[in-house]
Amino acid sequence: GAVVSQHPSWVICKSGTSVKIECRSLDFQATTMFWYRQFPKQSLMLMATSNEGSKATYEQGVEKDKFLINHASLTLSTLTVTSAHPEDSSFYICSAKTGHYNEQFFGPGTRLTVL
Amino acid sequence: RKEVEQDPGPFNVPEGATVAFNCTYSNSASQSFFWYRQDCRKEPKLLMSVYSSGNEDGRFTAQLNRASQYISLLIRDSKLSDSATYLCVVNSGGGADGLTFGKGTHLIIQP
Repeated sequence: GAVVSQHPSWVICKSGTSVKIECRSLDFQATTMFWYRQFPKQSLMLMATSNEGSKATYEQGVEKDKFLINHASLTLSTLTVTSAHPEDSSFYICSAKTGHYNEQFFGPGTRLTVL
Repeated sequence: RKEVEQDPGPFNVPEGATVAFNCTYSNSASQSFFWYRQDCRKEPKLLMSVYSSGNEDGRFTAQLNRASQYISLLIRDSKLSDSATYLCVVNSGGGADGLTFGKGTHLIIQP
């Protein structure tokens, strides 16, 4: 089956630093990648949709200048949380899909803790 | 606003029992429907897609009622390994649209 990896699995950082999270599709080319986040006891919330080679589309309420998304290739998308603050602490999950199937394949997630 | 509503549970059922969940969605234009399973502190994994005609995969049966905007999941002969949170998920546009997740229903199978 299709495999999506994320790196790092978890990160703890100081307030004000920037954190980059990588999402890779290992055995397929992802035309579209999605970034979600999940706060404790909450549902996954879509943050942005990213198509290779074009600008990401952000959901309402998600600051594009704070959450920088780059989708430079068909197998890699990155999310950079700039000037992270404690309220950004969350579980960030990416997913990827090809143009052929409706299913999205999820990465294992990155747990971010900002002190 | 796109919303998916689920009973959060928890549902505590004995091993071998049959259990059913349901959810409702607010966007009548929704086109694709799924049940995902999420284990504690893990990513969601697709359990099954849901079709208007209803579909079955082993012990799992999913149903969709577009008129009522209602989706159900039935688990027969429940196993201890079925303990998880079950997420009702809707894709509202096909193509490159993201997914809208319910908060999930927590299921605990007791020996």
